[in-house]
Amino acid sequence: EVQLLESGGGLVQPGGSLRLSCATSGFSFSSVDMSWVRLAPGKGLEWVATIAGLGGSTYYADSVKGRLTISRDDSTNTVFLQMKSLRVDDTAIYYCAKEMEEGFDPWGQGTLVTVSS
Amino acid sequence: SSELTQPPSMSVSPGQTARISCSGAALPRQYVYWYRQRPGQAPVLMIYKDSERPSGIPERFAGSSSGTTATLTISGVQAGDEAVYYCQSATGSATWVFGGGTKLTVL
Repeated sequence: EVQLLESGGGLVQPGGSLRLSCATSGFSFSSVDMSWVRLAPGKGLEWVATIAGLGGSTYYADSVKGRLTISRDDSTNTVFLQMKSLRVDDTAIYYCAKEMEEGFDPWGQGTLVTVSS
Repeated sequence: SSELTQPPSMSVSPGQTARISCSGAALPRQYVYWYRQRPGQAPVLMIYKDSERPSGIPERFAGSSSGTTATLTISGVQAGDEAVYYCQSATGSATWVFGGGTKLTVL
């Protein structure tokens, strides 16, 4: 069974940093693209970043480029999202998802990031 | 434009058919994916590549796409279908966009 488990969310002040983790199991992690998607309060889903398998090319939404960095550790089957220079509008539930040609499936349960003073 | 436009909300009675639209200029060239998100839960993939159903998704859920508009059709709507539905498509190589979401209310 494929499982994704996010962690690392919390309360951080504007301008601060946070690192999210997504531990995975049940599939061949190193060959799979992984993504982060967020859901801000009162808003819709927003794709944040993707990291490719087998090479690790990265792609970002314009809204996070230069502030958020996606990475992966194939030895521990974990994907990360390093967040810096956080803004109030980064407040959201952050989900990681396994990305295939057949779509984003499955998703983790999410981790809440609150940026507030 | 890479935007996807969905109606913010719709309501249907149990047993009726719900049709949720998703419009975007790039849709003639890109596949559409649909997700359901119930309150407090993670999104779930319902349709991929315009009209394919993942295993475990009931046949009541169907997808179609024509020109710049894709449609998610839910037949025989049930109370448990109440959720926010999002469409998604690629905007380029490994970049993605979601529609704004449609909140489906079952009366």
